[in-house]
Amino acid sequence: DAMVIQNPRYQVTQFGKPVTLSCSQTLNHNVMYWYQQKSSQAPKLLFHYYDKDFNNEADTPDNFQSRRPNTSFCFLDIRSPGLGDAAMYLCATSRERTGSYEQYFGPGTRLTVT
Amino acid sequence: GQSLEQPSEVTAVEGAIVQINCTYQTSGFYGLSWYQQHDGGAPTFLSYNALDGLEETGRFSSFLSRSDSYGYLLLQELQMKDSASYFCAGGGSTLGRLYFGRGTQLTVWP
Repeated sequence: DAMVIQNPRYQVTQFGKPVTLSCSQTLNHNVMYWYQQKSSQAPKLLFHYYDKDFNNEADTPDNFQSRRPNTSFCFLDIRSPGLGDAAMYLCATSRERTGSYEQYFGPGTRLTVT
Repeated sequence: GQSLEQPSEVTAVEGAIVQINCTYQTSGFYGLSWYQQHDGGAPTFLSYNALDGLEETGRFSSFLSRSDSYGYLLLQELQMKDSASYFCAGGGSTLGRLYFGRGTQLTVWP
């Protein structure tokens, strides 16, 4: 089945220790998104890639970076995690930018910062 | 800016009908989507309205009124498995971005 896969599902890191979350997709979609979702809150868009074109949200902290080495993979790097970065991180895809209303989400990575 | 407002929670009994409203203020709005998210799960796409009117998909229907900046999700013949959070989401002025409301927690009682 075509899908969006996120690894790991649970990640524990120490305060200030860099961490990388990964996402892969077998849908061959052009657009990939990273969202941060805290408990009982809406998913908050961090950035998205349209093909290799990177689009950052204005309020995304510099602490968050992303890489998309090819169509299938996208990574979220948190350079110096703080306690406030503990959250669920969701990766999503859409076929095209014009189809962004229908996004396919991975199961998420729950990040704990100790 | 982007703002979507929806009630924080709704409760109903099995077999009932429930309506979850969403009002929005987004620049360059081009449509309203609805997503379902079970506890600990990923959001799942339910429906999309680009034009005014009602879209029906099985037990779920979604409505949009652009002139009122308002939409709703209607769930009929509620089942226990419908207990979840429901998010409305709107596209902003730049293609590729989707902004989510804070979500409505639906609890279905037997």
